[in-house]
Amino acid sequence: KAGVTQTPRYLIKTRGQQVTLSCSPISGHRSVSWYQQTPGQGLQFLFEYFSETQRNKGNFPGRFSGRQFSNSRSEMNVSTLELGDSALYLCASSLRETSYNEQFFGPGTRLTVL
Amino acid sequence: GENVEQHPSTLSVQEGDSAVIKCTYSDSASNYFPWYKQELGKGPQLIIDIRSNVGEKKDQRIAVTLNKTAKHFSLHITETQPEDSAVYFCAASGYSSASKIIFGSGTRLSIRP
Repeated sequence: KAGVTQTPRYLIKTRGQQVTLSCSPISGHRSVSWYQQTPGQGLQFLFEYFSETQRNKGNFPGRFSGRQFSNSRSEMNVSTLELGDSALYLCASSLRETSYNEQFFGPGTRLTVL
Repeated sequence: GENVEQHPSTLSVQEGDSAVIKCTYSDSASNYFPWYKQELGKGPQLIIDIRSNVGEKKDQRIAVTLNKTAKHFSLHITETQPEDSAVYFCAASGYSSASKIIFGSGTRLSIRP
């Protein structure tokens, strides 16, 4: 069974631009969560989608948004990029809602904002 | 808000020795405690988890203990091997769909040959 895939793996953008990251969960998984990982802040929860509905949201500004499609694939968007948005963005999928269920992480998208 | 503290931030042990990583959580409603291992260039991988109705769980060389009263849980790796070198994260979450998973800050484990 294929794991969680994320595209692109690497991305370089400049301040003020916007970016869209994509995540394909493990087949049959309906929950997708997004995390931001930085050396200073560690792993921080962005949001969770289950059956195309946002179930939970972390403490990030409105510039960070996401969505989930009927096939469970998910995208996250960051508008008006700032230097501090440089990070590894991880997607994780699970069979059901994230809480109390095992999550499987993808390899991440490394975003660099110049 | 909810918080998970993880110690130590770095740990170096001799190959064959044991390694222990400790975490403390603040939300008393937490009842699911996974541990993840992250190797360079990869996403975190679940290595073991424990739920609140269990005090200890073991899987080969890895074990996790939970003390709900003290809000502590720990990861124990015995007979460490070079491939155990990685960053380890603990996490805590609750049952409800509104519960967010909170991660510890990570422990960089190095195994000395």
